[in-house]
Amino acid sequence: EDQVTQSPEALRLQEGESSSLNCSYTVSGLRGLFWYRQDPGKGPEFLFTLYSAGEEKEKERLKATLTKKESFLHITAPKPEDSATYLCAAAGVDSNYQLIWGAGTKLIIKP
Amino acid sequence: DAGVTQSPTHLIKTRGQQVTLRCSPKSGHDTVSWYQQALGQGPQFIFQYYEEEERQRGNFPDRFSGHQFPNYSSELNVNALLLGDSALYLCASSRWRGQRAGGYTFGSGTRLTVV
Repeated sequence: EDQVTQSPEALRLQEGESSSLNCSYTVSGLRGLFWYRQDPGKGPEFLFTLYSAGEEKEKERLKATLTKKESFLHITAPKPEDSATYLCAAAGVDSNYQLIWGAGTKLIIKP
Repeated sequence: DAGVTQSPTHLIKTRGQQVTLRCSPKSGHDTVSWYQQALGQGPQFIFQYYEEEERQRGNFPDRFSGHQFPNYSSELNVNALLLGDSALYLCASSRWRGQRAGGYTFGSGTRLTVV
């Protein structure tokens, strides 16, 4: 059964303190690994799509990487406005039309 | 460029009633997916529509039904509401790209409360 697991559930950092969020996946025939940011009461906001192991993408202070079993979202020198829940989702051959979601990591950046 | 538009933003219904939620996809997108998100959890896939047909369905009962119109907009209908149906309902649109999953654009959701 396809599954996506995120860790940690919550992460508190000081402003400027870099860290990484983990997304482990068990998906048959990966068709895409997605990272989203979600603010309270809002819909998820698309960040990155990764398609194959070794691929990396960057956007401002965020960098997403992908291996055959997991993906990492690296946050460099975060600011308070980076506080949000970060969601990871994967689409595989067996679930080609739907995303399998993790429960998210709630990130809090303290000034 | 308008993104995904959902209506209404908030809704309060009584147990046993029926509800219809609406979604207009992002310009250029032809595929609409619906998700249910309970508080503190990731979204759960309900179903996806493409070319006015339900292409795939998640593990939701038949009380959940949908429709896609020729202009790609979509509706989600829930009959015989239960207290457990209270959640944020999200609509996501995308452009079908064959064997590769495309990026999904989400609306801000409809917060449904069943009392």
